[in-house]
Amino acid sequence: DVKVTQSSRYLVKRTGEKVFLECVQDMDHENMFWYRQDPGLGLRLIYFSYDVKMKEKGDIPEGYSVSREKKERFSLILESASTNQTSMYLCASSFARETDQPQHFGDGTRLSIL
Amino acid sequence: AQSVTQPDIHITVSEGASLELRCNYSYGATPYLFWYVQSPGQGLQLLLKYFSGDTLVQGIKGFEAEFKRSQSSFNLRKPSVHWSDAAEYFCAASGGSYIPTFGRGTSLIVHP
Repeated sequence: DVKVTQSSRYLVKRTGEKVFLECVQDMDHENMFWYRQDPGLGLRLIYFSYDVKMKEKGDIPEGYSVSREKKERFSLILESASTNQTSMYLCASSFARETDQPQHFGDGTRLSIL
Repeated sequence: AQSVTQPDIHITVSEGASLELRCNYSYGATPYLFWYVQSPGQGLQLLLKYFSGDTLVQGIKGFEAEFKRSQSSFNLRKPSVHWSDAAEYFCAASGGSYIPTFGRGTSLIVHP
């Protein structure tokens, strides 16, 4: 069974800090994704990656960057955290570039920026 | 533009009652369709998926969904709801891209 692991379930950081959210998947999936989830807004795609060192902007990339140095690991970076980045962050992965493959999600990181 | 609409933000049912959650999609061609469930404090889990063939799809936890091309719908159903089904439900579609489009979700509340 696919396992997507996010390094922290809860995280509290201060405004202006550089924040790293880590995600690891164990099924050799090519695609990895970062979403943020806010009440009433559903899931919004921040960044995705379809291969090592490849990244593409999603719908709301401002204030974020990503890193994918290894196939199994996809990191989300908040360059200078702000209070409006307080949210639930979800990592997902999927197999190859086929559209019929479902995504597999981690349990999420609830990030609070004070 | 491609879109997925879940018209109901909240649905309240009594335990043991039947359930139907609505999902409508707008795509150029029939997309691949998915339903996910998110229990409180957790990530999304795949309930079922539709690619082609039989329009009634069975999933995990006793859920099923029916694809209706004429209505561009993919509604999720369960004949008898359990208290543990209380969760957020997301409909998603993909077609032409491996990046799915998600609906905004429907929150299911189950009364004892």
